[in-house]
Amino acid sequence: DGGITQSPKYLFRKEGQNVTLSCEQNLNHDAMYWYRQDPGQGLRLIYYSQIVNDFQKGDIAEGYSVSREKKESFPLTVTSAQKNPTAFYLCASSDPRQSTGLYNEQFFGPGTRLTVL
Amino acid sequence: DAKTTQPTSMDCAEGRAANLPCNHSTISGNEYVYWYRQIHSQGPQYIIHGLKNNETNEMASLIITEDRKSSTLILPHATLRDTAVYYCIVRVGSGGSNYKLTFGKGTLLTVNP
Repeated sequence: DGGITQSPKYLFRKEGQNVTLSCEQNLNHDAMYWYRQDPGQGLRLIYYSQIVNDFQKGDIAEGYSVSREKKESFPLTVTSAQKNPTAFYLCASSDPRQSTGLYNEQFFGPGTRLTVL
Repeated sequence: DAKTTQPTSMDCAEGRAANLPCNHSTISGNEYVYWYRQIHSQGPQYIIHGLKNNETNEMASLIITEDRKSSTLILPHATLRDTAVYYCIVRVGSGGSNYKLTFGKGTLLTVNP
């Protein structure tokens, strides 16, 4: 089945530790995204990548880092510099060439809930 | 991207139509209206989108007013599994910052038995 997988579903870390969240897609999509969601809030964009070996900061990139070495993978590292890392993290992908070519519908993974102890 | 306004919550009886409103009075001529929904603790799911004309797919219908300042998402026969937060998003369809989806707080739709 085609889709986006994120692992693990739940993640706990101690304060001051870096942690990497996995995101893999087999949809052959060029673009991938990372969002953060806090309780009762909408999604906020952390980083996005429109093509392999390229990525751009979103609205709240501070304290996060990403890499895009392969088309199907876009891991997110939450560093110790992120002051409030406890949140629900969502990865998405899209293909800008789909449908009318005007809109790239974003497909989301199931999310990773990170808790910092 | 234009800002949207949605009610915080709505209730609907199972089997009845759910009509979810969205105001986007500052929408520009090249901006589309999109709807996503998010079931608790899952990733958002695309529902439908449109520019001017009404749209229908297997999940829902989208009614956009003639002046495009508001729209309504219609779930024709709501089920308990439709309980979710529904997000109305307005954005440019191509070029520029088309990578970005700006999610507000959305509308929590609760379908009651």
